[in-house]
Amino acid sequence: EPEVTQTPSHQVTQMGQEVILRCVPISNHLYFYWYRQILGQKVEFLVSFYNNEISEKSEIFDDQFSVERPDGSNFTLKIRSTKLEDSAMYFCASSEWPLLGQFFGPGTRLTVL
Amino acid sequence: SQQGEEDPQALSIQEGENATMNCSYKTSINNLQWYRQNSGRGLVHLILIRSNEREKHSGRLRVTLDTSKKSSSLLITASRAADTASYFCATVTSGSARQLTFGSGTQLTVLP
Repeated sequence: EPEVTQTPSHQVTQMGQEVILRCVPISNHLYFYWYRQILGQKVEFLVSFYNNEISEKSEIFDDQFSVERPDGSNFTLKIRSTKLEDSAMYFCASSEWPLLGQFFGPGTRLTVL
Repeated sequence: SQQGEEDPQALSIQEGENATMNCSYKTSINNLQWYRQNSGRGLVHLILIRSNEREKHSGRLRVTLDTSKKSSSLLITASRAADTASYFCATVTSGSARQLTFGSGTQLTVLP
């Protein structure tokens, strides 16, 4: 069964450093998403992406965040200058169409020291 | 309460029993979805119910939606130990086709 994959599974970084989280969505899906889950809290929407541009973003997704689809398979989330409060599990998701269920990857646990 | 609030927060039952989880939301929705998350893992989509639907079944899952009360319930029948996980409702707000708004989840423990 096709699945969304994410790398790395765990990333440790120093405050102020840049990190890139990588995702490979399901191949025939056209809509891509990033969510995050701070430990013990709700899953929060960050951004959605379609046709090589951002379709929606939350207030969390400020100027330090960016997304990119550098090739036909990868979808990346870049955090330019990490803060302690960016420590969370980051989930990538994809869907074939909007308004359908989203398929989530296993997540990348980001720890900012 | 916030969009997508589940109750109870935690539920512990014996294997074979039914488990019912409830979700309330605040805004007008396009659809409501239920997801499962095993500890430390990703979210698995279980079932989607559209705003014009009242009930939906999938295997041992039954979802109801009452848009007048802005609430939904997820029933898992004949529960198994493997059903132990956190269950989240997530809504797609009317006018938004993209983002899911998640609730805080119900932690279900099924005892063998």
